Amino acid sequence: AQRVTQPEKLLSVFKGAPVELKCNYSYSGSPELFWYVQYSRQRLQLLLRHISRESIKGFTADLNKGETSFHLKKPFAQEEDSAMYYCARGGSNYKLTFGKGTLLTVNP
Amino acid sequence: NAGVMQNPRHLVRRRGQEARLRCSPMKGHSHVYWYRQLPEEGLKFMVYLQKENIIDESGMPKERFSAEFPKEGPSILRIQQVVRGDSAAYFCASSPSGVGNEKLFFGSGTQLSVL
Repeated sequence: AQRVTQPEKLLSVFKGAPVELKCNYSYSGSPELFWYVQYSRQRLQLLLRHISRESIKGFTADLNKGETSFHLKKPFAQEEDSAMYYCARGGSNYKLTFGKGTLLTVNP
Repeated sequence: NAGVMQNPRHLVRRRGQEARLRCSPMKGHSHVYWYRQLPEEGLKFMVYLQKENIIDESGMPKERFSAEFPKEGPSILRIQQVVRGDSAAYFCASSPSGVGNEKLFFGSGTQLSVL
């Protein structure tokens, strides 16, 4: 079965510090990896996906097939980045497998 | 476009009652997905529907749970004879074409509490 592991349930950093949210996935075929974010009192929304190789709100994520990881990074965290972050993987179909999520708190 | 609309936001039921959760997809979207999030867990796929068709219900519990997406009206996730273990957040998502790994648009979820 596909698995997505987010080892940190909680992550707290200070404003301006670098942040890295970890995500590992079980290897199987050619995965499609995503990061979804849920800000307080808002809906779950797509932040970025690896096939786009984009940077959204200063966040980037690189797919590392050797380590089966898709860590989310931002060099300088902002208070408005505080949210719940979910790593998810797709595959050859429409189903997404989500990690348990990491609650990021950026302190002033 | 109001986005994916789910109602109610909160639903309280006693054991043995029925729960009906509604989801209206985004305008123009004909593909609907239901996910369940148990406490301290990630979202787990339940069922994928197109208009009047269940495409994949492999994530649905074998008993008491059913889903539909009629030609007219919202998609309904129905839980009969609820038990305390059904307490969870139920999220609906929609997409325009159902192509693998297409961006999903999520609703705000329904928090079901079973007393």
